[in-house]
Amino acid sequence: AQSVTQLDSQVPVFEEAPVELRCNYSSSVSVYLFWYVQYPNQGLQLLLKYLSGSTLVKGINGFEAEFNKSQTSFHLRKPSVHISDTAEYFCAVRNTGFQKLVFGTGTRLLVSP
Amino acid sequence: KAGVTQTPRYLIKTRGQQVTLSCSPISGHRSVSWYQQTPGQGLQFLFEYFSETQRNKGNFPGRFSGRQFSNSRSEMNVSTLELGDSALYLCASSLDGNGYTFGSGTRLTVV
Repeated sequence: AQSVTQLDSQVPVFEEAPVELRCNYSSSVSVYLFWYVQYPNQGLQLLLKYLSGSTLVKGINGFEAEFNKSQTSFHLRKPSVHISDTAEYFCAVRNTGFQKLVFGTGTRLLVSP
Repeated sequence: KAGVTQTPRYLIKTRGQQVTLSCSPISGHRSVSWYQQTPGQGLQFLFEYFSETQRNKGNFPGRFSGRQFSNSRSEMNVSTLELGDSALYLCASSLDGNGYTFGSGTRLTVV
């Protein structure tokens, strides 16, 4: 069975600083990886996904993530955050043969001026 | 292109009642999945439907059920509501399983 670990429940950062949100997964088979963002009282919005190919994936709003198979990680990065990036971020994994997303517990990104 | 539409947005029900939530996927998407989000358990998979057939099911009691219609719209039903069923219920649609678009959710409060 797959699992996802987001070690940081909360990450405080100042505006215009860089940020990295960590995600580690475990799976015995090939996986697809996703990052979603959730703003208060809203659903989940897809930031980016890794299916295959280049391990560096670029997404919306200036976010990017790097798939590292040996370390089973898929960390999310942004070089300069904005106040509007304050939200909850979820990493998710899906194995290639099963239509179900397994989510991490989420990381709350708090951007302050 | 219209997104995933979930209705209603908010719902208050009494313990013991039943409730039906609706999800209209993106046009052309035949896969619809349901997730429950709570502060304690996070995001948990309920079930997935594809072309009117339940293809996958999570670890929820039989009080939770769903169905999908020929136009791909899906409903989920929860019978004999318990306080612990209070949650945000999210629906996601997918064309090919390589990307999931979520709706805004239905927030269910059981009192």
